[in-house]
Amino acid sequence: AAGVIQSPRHLIKEKRETATLKCYPIPRHDTVYWYQQGPGQDPQFLISFYEKMQSDKGSIPDRFSAQQFSDYHSELNMSSLELGDSALYFCASNQRGRLYSYEQYFGPGTRLTVT
Amino acid sequence: GQQVMQIPQYQHVQEGEDFTTYCNSSTTLSNIQWYKQRPGGHPVFLIQLVKSGEVKKQKRLTFQFGEAKKNSSLHITATQTTDVGTYFCAKTVSGYSTLTFGKGTMLLVSP
Repeated sequence: AAGVIQSPRHLIKEKRETATLKCYPIPRHDTVYWYQQGPGQDPQFLISFYEKMQSDKGSIPDRFSAQQFSDYHSELNMSSLELGDSALYFCASNQRGRLYSYEQYFGPGTRLTVT
Repeated sequence: GQQVMQIPQYQHVQEGEDFTTYCNSSTTLSNIQWYKQRPGGHPVFLIQLVKSGEVKKQKRLTFQFGEAKKNSSLHITATQTTDVGTYFCAKTVSGYSTLTFGKGTMLLVSP
């Protein structure tokens, strides 16, 4: 079965640089979520999109922005990177309209290291 | 949103022993989900509980949702080394909203 695809899997950037993370949801999934997970931490919600519109917003820094495109893939843009941005970034997807079925399917993640 | 409290933070068992992790909320939950994350991996959905007092089983795993829908537990019978990982409970405020995770319970199983 198709899974959520994220690219790149690993990314090393220097402070103050920019980074773009990409997410390709499972086919027919219309909602995408972005989470940030620090070492030994639980995933923290950043932002979500439904049908290309921002749906919910969590603890996403103003330096970060995201969007969902017409083919439902999503990109997380991160600017003025800080050391504290080093983390695993997960994308998850699901399909609205599936009654009582709210599970999210996570991608393998992008490990971002800021030096 | 307010986080769900999860205990213990860490548990180390011998293979064959049982394991339980607990999730507690100060507010009534509409549903609770459980995820497993292997070391170096991503969260994988295990189960969703919606009804008060619900009990669901998946082979050696038993999931419970409290009568008041404020707590949940995951019990693993006769652990195996393949059970190693961090188990997270997660709540949603509404059906399509984000997940708010508990801090997770890291399970280590020694052979």
